Amino acid sequence: DAGITQSPRHKVTETGTPVTLRCHQTENHRYMYWYRQDPGHGLRLIHYSYGVKDTDKGEVSDGYSVSRSKTEDFLLTLESATSSQTSVYFCAISQATGGTDTQYFGPGTRLTVL
Amino acid sequence: AQSVTQPDIHITVSEGASLELRCNYSYGATPYLFWYVQSPGQGLQLLLKYFSGDTLVQGIKGFEAEFKRSQSSFNLRKPSVHWSDAAEYFCAVALDSNYQLIWGAGTKLIIKP
Repeated sequence: DAGITQSPRHKVTETGTPVTLRCHQTENHRYMYWYRQDPGHGLRLIHYSYGVKDTDKGEVSDGYSVSRSKTEDFLLTLESATSSQTSVYFCAISQATGGTDTQYFGPGTRLTVL
Repeated sequence: AQSVTQPDIHITVSEGASLELRCNYSYGATPYLFWYVQSPGQGLQLLLKYFSGDTLVQGIKGFEAEFKRSQSSFNLRKPSVHWSDAAEYFCAVALDSNYQLIWGAGTKLIIKP
């Protein structure tokens, strides 16, 4: 157990509404990541953070924003949800980035945009 | 563009049989290599990783993987699968310490009784 929780675990929302997903960690890891998982695509990085208030874009960042005001929390916001953002969202943490440290994953949030 | 390919979307294996899951990557340099497993409805768990040194890497749950530079491959193996190994397996690659993981599309392993 890497001490990662995600909330909510399931959410159904309507097109055009804002949605915020939360990732919370208890182990003070420096790096946090948001991925989305879709069939046939594996995991794709949305945004990541390398410290409080330090974030950067990943492969599929359009339509998403993030914030990290505390080490333990990394928020993912869909400003105006679209059906193409229906997916399973995973948060991950690591002490170092890329290949030098293992990424540990949260349980995921299943988001459905109607 | 950098990419990771898992050629098999599904693989069906009888319980007790051996298993090999394929992973190929397209990079010029030797990357860091990972295999993760995802059980149904769960998050991802690291099985093993390769950074350098011995090209045969041992992981958890009896899995191993072999890095072959000449083939740009990092195939996952297990000599005898158990029904509990039914899951989806993902290969991932990082170029260096400042690069994020690039993921394959996954291979779903089905175990026949």
